[in-house]
Amino acid sequence: EAQVTQNPRYLITVTGKKLTVTCSQNMNHEYMSWYRQDPGLGLRQIYYSMNVEVTDKGDVPEGYKVSRKEKRNFPLILESPSPNQTSLYFCASSLTGFLTGELFFGEGSRLTVL
Amino acid sequence: QKEVEQNSGPLSVPEGAIASLNCTYSDRGSQSFFWYRQYSGKSPELIMFIYSNGDKEDGRFTAQLNKASQYVSLLIRDSQPSDSATYLCAELSGTSYGKLTFGQGTILTVHP
Repeated sequence: EAQVTQNPRYLITVTGKKLTVTCSQNMNHEYMSWYRQDPGLGLRQIYYSMNVEVTDKGDVPEGYKVSRKEKRNFPLILESPSPNQTSLYFCASSLTGFLTGELFFGEGSRLTVL
Repeated sequence: QKEVEQNSGPLSVPEGAIASLNCTYSDRGSQSFFWYRQYSGKSPELIMFIYSNGDKEDGRFTAQLNKASQYVSLLIRDSQPSDSATYLCAELSGTSYGKLTFGQGTILTVHP
């Protein structure tokens, strides 16, 4: 089954404790991206990757890191989480960065930072 | 200034009516536009994309793009209660390839 898999789906952590949210896709997509969704603000792009070893900042990259060492994986790293990073996070992928096709989303990861 | 603006609603229409959802954007270089639907507690899913001026129809859905006025709209004909969801408009940057910006979404409720 074609899918984007995120883990963990739910996480409660404390300020300053490094965490990684993994994202994996099995569709051989070149393009992957991370978004956060907050009430009233919609989806905001954190980072995106056009292909392996190519990443770029979205609109809200502060406090986050990413890496794209393999085509299928695009982990989101919070080196020192803060309460303002409490949010619902979505990973998404598409066949190409020109998005002429569909953007597939993972099921989301709800993160709470205390 | 937010690059993609939507009326957050909620927009309420009776079953069988036409629902009209609107979106404006500020980047004149943007070429591609997308409408996503997101049910409560679920991930967004693509409804339509459009990059040419004019209308694009797919079943009960029609996307309209007016580049001169910088707006995109989505019409849902014969609205059904199952269409009740949040509708997200998105633009693909014409300069930063891969940068996709979403509006804040419009909540649509279709009542029987």
